Amino acid sequence: GQNIDQPTEMTATEGAIVQINCTYQTSGFNGLFWYQQHAGEAPTFLSYNVLDGLEEKGRFSSFLSRSKGYSYLLLKELQMKDSASYLCAAPFYNQGGKLIFGQGTELSVKP
Amino acid sequence: GAVVSQHPSRVICKSGTSVKIECRSLDFQATTMFWYRQFPKKSLMLMATSNEGSKATYEQGVEKDKFLINHASLTLSTLTVTSAHPEDSSFYICSARVGGTGELFFGEGSRLTVL
Repeated sequence: GQNIDQPTEMTATEGAIVQINCTYQTSGFNGLFWYQQHAGEAPTFLSYNVLDGLEEKGRFSSFLSRSKGYSYLLLKELQMKDSASYLCAAPFYNQGGKLIFGQGTELSVKP
Repeated sequence: GAVVSQHPSRVICKSGTSVKIECRSLDFQATTMFWYRQFPKKSLMLMATSNEGSKATYEQGVEKDKFLINHASLTLSTLTVTSAHPEDSSFYICSARVGGTGELFFGEGSRLTVL
């Protein structure tokens, strides 16, 4: 089966750091994606973790622990424009490569 | 990066009519495309996997006769919402991947409103 869990909502202050967690239980593992989605727009790719550890990309970093079925997205130096929905997703390459999304975390950045 | 284009971006139709949404891969060939549906403030729900030259693979609970998918070429997949009803109003997004693994690129999305 497939189960991907994220908190529904989070609030943080401009300039701060926020960590968005994602836990997953999937039949087979092929890495974990993070996407950002602003209201009314298509999702945009943020990161793809296949191996354990932290991958940093500017203000955004993503962490993966395969043994714990756990990932997080870390956003530093938060800006107002970071207010968006953040979605973690798992690919299933043995099923045509489909991507299954968690419910998404709505992040609100306050001044 | 790879570009996926979706058309129309917005469509309003009367209840009972059918609506076709197109999804094109602009600079790569996509043997597989994916159609998602998204309700307000909800996540993306996979509806079906569109396979070039063969039948689409639908997710559990998605009506095949309601949501017709055709993938006649390596760059075009279409989703037709047949006999649309107000409950079909939603944001429909297509996506495709360059190669077998890695990042999934999304179209701009199509907002369907059924009156």
